[in-house]
Amino acid sequence: AQSVTQPDIHITVSEGASLELRCNYSYGATPYLFWYVQSPGQGLQLLLKYFSGDTLVQGIKGFEAEFKRSQSSFNLRKPSVHWSDAAEYFCAVGGNAGNMLTFGGGTRLMVKP
Amino acid sequence: ETGVTQTPRHLVMGMTNKKSLKCEQHLGHNAMYWYKQSAKKPLELMFVYNFKEQTENNSVPSRFSPECPNSSHLFLHLHTLQPEDSALYLCASSRSAGGSDTQYFGPGTRLTVL
Repeated sequence: AQSVTQPDIHITVSEGASLELRCNYSYGATPYLFWYVQSPGQGLQLLLKYFSGDTLVQGIKGFEAEFKRSQSSFNLRKPSVHWSDAAEYFCAVGGNAGNMLTFGGGTRLMVKP
Repeated sequence: ETGVTQTPRHLVMGMTNKKSLKCEQHLGHNAMYWYKQSAKKPLELMFVYNFKEQTENNSVPSRFSPECPNSSHLFLHLHTLQPEDSALYLCASSRSAGGSDTQYFGPGTRLTVL
């Protein structure tokens, strides 16, 4: 069965600092990997997606993620965090053949001024 | 309106009430989903519809009854709920059902069961 682990439940960074959110997945074939962001009281918004090609994926709001097959990881990064990035971030894995998306437990990001 | 909309945004109901949640997508997608998001638990997939046909029911109690009259509308009918059903209910849609197409989410309905 597929699964996603986000080891960090909470992360606090200072505004302007760099950010890396970890995501490890388990999937038996070529995965489709997603990062979503959820602001308080809102639904999930797609940040970026990987399914093939270049393993470094660029997304919206200055985010990027790198797919590392050997480590079964898809970590999200941002070089300089803004206060508006405070939110909850979800990693998800899916695939072909009807496999539905499986979400990780989420990482709540807090940004210090 | 664009994207995925959900109404109502907030709902408080007693355990003996009957209510319905509504979801509408304006993206021309063929698949729609209901998810439950509870505090301290991962997002749980409840139901999947593809071209109006239900393709997944993840062991959801019968007090939750979905309805998909067409590819643009999805309902979740609620009756005799329990307090543990209090959660954020999210609707999503995608071009096709499955884990390869991007899912677009609505803002959710915050449900409180008293």
